[in-house]
Amino acid sequence: DAGITQSPRHKVTETGTPVTLRCHQTENHRYMYWYRQDPGHGLRLIHYSYGVKDTDKGEVSDGYSVSRSKTEDFLLTLESATSSQTSVYFCAISDPGQGHEQYFGPGTRLTVT
Amino acid sequence: AQTVTQSQPEMSVQEAETVTLSCTYDTSENNYYLFWYKQPPSRQMILVIRQEAYKQQNATENRFSVNFQKAAKSFSLKISDSQLGDTAMYFCAFMAQGAQKLVFGQGTRLTINP
Repeated sequence: DAGITQSPRHKVTETGTPVTLRCHQTENHRYMYWYRQDPGHGLRLIHYSYGVKDTDKGEVSDGYSVSRSKTEDFLLTLESATSSQTSVYFCAISDPGQGHEQYFGPGTRLTVT
Repeated sequence: AQTVTQSQPEMSVQEAETVTLSCTYDTSENNYYLFWYKQPPSRQMILVIRQEAYKQQNATENRFSVNFQKAAKSFSLKISDSQLGDTAMYFCAFMAQGAQKLVFGQGTRLTINP
């Protein structure tokens, strides 16, 4: 299994508070991704990174920001959490030089009350 | 923009039967990759099988095989001799060559009954 961890694994927070989710990899893969999973929608891309300090938006980026200061860490921040951001969040990694598969972390369940 | 559609929200079969999950996609790209991912109750996303669009031969991984019809933009997954451990959500996904971004379908919840 690819070495990908996410923290925290579960979090309950209140509307309006900031939240940061962390993804850590030990595979030295170039690309890192944040997805959210909601019933009826599958997984939708929030943001992704193609290198240190290189990031771009996905299809559902509003209300989210990301940062990548090291190859191994990719942070997702909800500046002011809303109930619509209650979801399961997955981090994934890939490297074009090692195929086109993406490998996923275990997920973080976030509940905004 | 690419879209991926899985028209079967839920399916249920008996153990040892064969089951086929459907997936269609829409794209103007000629070169791309297609994937099936499995998500068991543990929530972990597991790659089941992949297909390169330029390959005419359908991919096979043990009991899992695909029927890739490029002209019809169809990519179905066949599970033979189904097992209880195959119970999971299954997601079809598309990646345009060079894009490094996946587009997922809505998923099909598959239940294997004893």
